[in-house]
Amino acid sequence: DIQLTQSPSSLSASVGDRVTITCQANQDISDYLNWYQQKPGKAPKLLIYDASTLQTGVPSRFSGGGSGTHFAFTISSLQPEDVATYYCQQYHDLPPLFGPGTTVDLK
Amino acid sequence: VQLQESGPGLVKPSETLSLTCSVSGGSITTYYWSWIRQPPGKGLEWVSIIYSAGKTYYADSVKGRFTISRDNSKNTLFLQMNSLRVEDTAVYYCALVAVRLSSDAFDVWGRGTMVTVSS
Repeated sequence: DIQLTQSPSSLSASVGDRVTITCQANQDISDYLNWYQQKPGKAPKLLIYDASTLQTGVPSRFSGGGSGTHFAFTISSLQPEDVATYYCQQYHDLPPLFGPGTTVDLK
Repeated sequence: VQLQESGPGLVKPSETLSLTCSVSGGSITTYYWSWIRQPPGKGLEWVSIIYSAGKTYYADSVKGRFTISRDNSKNTLFLQMNSLRVEDTAVYYCALVAVRLSSDAFDVWGRGTMVTVSS
């Protein structure tokens, strides 16, 4: 199975800060990488697919990049409503595993 | 497309439970469908997928115990869970798999339903 690691596991930042989360795969997955946001008590929401394509309706302060084994997810200016856990997920092979998640909260 | 799971339950280990996901706003035969679960306080775990042609795949942790299926006439997805274990305790989500040229993704999610396995 393709395994994903995320860093950091949690972070605290101030409103307006730039926040970056990294995701690393244990083998080349090209750009078959998605990012999800999960707010407490809610279902996950797809933010980015194909490593860097913003899902329709997602604010432009969210972005993604990378290819192969190293990926990054960035919030350019953190907003209060961005407090959530963020997961990367690969769809190169079955099983389509998720990373362990990164929890973002406000400082 | 909107999804609504049902079938929350408290069951004992070794018992059986069936989850239902009602699909509205689209035909169930058009898409791929998955079940994904989340144990309390933990991350997301993919469970199973059913393709539009009917082929199915399962996570190793549930293979041989869980069965994914669908009723096209009722636009409904199912997850039959047999021989339940304490470690199956989780919120279970049904999700629509959007098929793309590159990475497929879980585009639409239900609200989730809690399954508790405890003696």
